[in-house]
Amino acid sequence: GAGVSQSPSNKVTEKGKDVELRCDPISGHTALYWYRQSLGQGLEFLIYFQGNSAPDKSGLPSDRFSAERTGGSVSTLTIQRTQQEDSAVYLCASSLGVRGNTEAFFGQGTRLTVV
Amino acid sequence: AQTVTQSQPEMSVQEAETVTLSCTYDTSESDYYLFWYKQPPSRQMILVIRQEAYKQQNATENRFSVNFQKAAKSFSLKISDSQLGDAAMYFCAYRSPGGTSYGKLTFGQGTILTVHP
Repeated sequence: GAGVSQSPSNKVTEKGKDVELRCDPISGHTALYWYRQSLGQGLEFLIYFQGNSAPDKSGLPSDRFSAERTGGSVSTLTIQRTQQEDSAVYLCASSLGVRGNTEAFFGQGTRLTVV
Repeated sequence: AQTVTQSQPEMSVQEAETVTLSCTYDTSESDYYLFWYKQPPSRQMILVIRQEAYKQQNATENRFSVNFQKAAKSFSLKISDSQLGDAAMYFCAYRSPGGTSYGKLTFGQGTILTVHP
């Protein structure tokens, strides 16, 4: 597709369940980022991928959060044993590289609600 | 670590008027990049304008311009001739120089802009 695609668009899950969020970046973009946006807040960095490796996982809030990227393309963010505080919009972005002025293109996000 | 602060949670403007959104940041780096992103209700972040810190000239993109004050660490966004379609949440963001911090963005808390007809 032409842009960054995320699925599902919305997800409601019960507390304690595991969820998987998917990001399909723009073709050819080697850098991929996950951010979390809590209600009324700014975006919080979670993890960065360059190709299939994740040099920076510093933003993952706990060991319940993990992410992988396969084939240098699609990425999956997994949250295990979801808690209510995990409710947020999860945004994915991709870019051609990591040079400072390189534009990051964002998907429309997945709104996760934990009930 | 860098921080970005947007002190205006909400702003409003009349259609066709001008509005300025404020942003300040804290960094010890001398070279960096600043961005303004727009987030409409669709949730998709859209790049509005970017500024390289080594450039003294303020960036402009049609009705959007910035006032970049490096010494004051201030980066405000001016929207001229406001349109109804400008209504959105606006985020200021900071990025370290190429390759460092892996290009990740540090965002402010956002400003909700309402445009009145």
